[in-house]
Amino acid sequence: GIQVEQSPPDLILQEGANSTLRCNFSDSVNNLQWFHQNPWGQLINLFYIPSGTKQNGRLSATTVATERYSLLYISSSQTTDSGVYFCAVERIPADSWGKLQFGAGTQVVVTP
Amino acid sequence: NAGVTQTPKFQVLKTGQSMTLQCAQDMNHNSMYWYRQDPGMGLRLIYYSASEGTTDKGEVPNGYNVSRLNKREFSLRLESAAPSQTSVYFCASRRNRNTDTQYFGPGTRLTVL
Repeated sequence: GIQVEQSPPDLILQEGANSTLRCNFSDSVNNLQWFHQNPWGQLINLFYIPSGTKQNGRLSATTVATERYSLLYISSSQTTDSGVYFCAVERIPADSWGKLQFGAGTQVVVTP
Repeated sequence: NAGVTQTPKFQVLKTGQSMTLQCAQDMNHNSMYWYRQDPGMGLRLIYYSASEGTTDKGEVPNGYNVSRLNKREFSLRLESAAPSQTSVYFCASRRNRNTDTQYFGPGTRLTVL
């Protein structure tokens, strides 16, 4: 299967700081999603971004599919940004099903 | 819309007991999924249902069975629970099997003693 590597594994930020999370994947993909798992365990969709750039408030993401990586940017971080950020990719074989493959996540702690 | 709902939220079982985790979605999605999440790891696919009437194994299907009861509901059954099945279980759905975002339920935290 596709290997998904996320870096860094852990990140501690002071409130107001900016940060970049990275997701590398080992093969071409049809689908890439970013999720935020909050401290209560809920998984929240951030971006569906197989290629290109998207922005949603203080968060933005860029996927460079040809180079097999995606970046998630957090600007002006807030304590509510704490949690684990997952990248998940999917390669869809012809005439078959796609399956999301998750990375191990980046644990983010934002301190006041 | 409630989105994806799961019951129960928490469950404790003894080794060898059976139980069924329930999942329902009200978004008229065709595809549904069951994942497990172990500490410090991402999610791993247990079973999925690309459309009503079909189910297929994912990455870690051993010890589980599923039923796609109708378009809305997809249940996961543990016939004889083992401590290795202690995990958080997530159900997800999406509009079609190979398109768009997967939407996740709140999870069921299962402990097997």
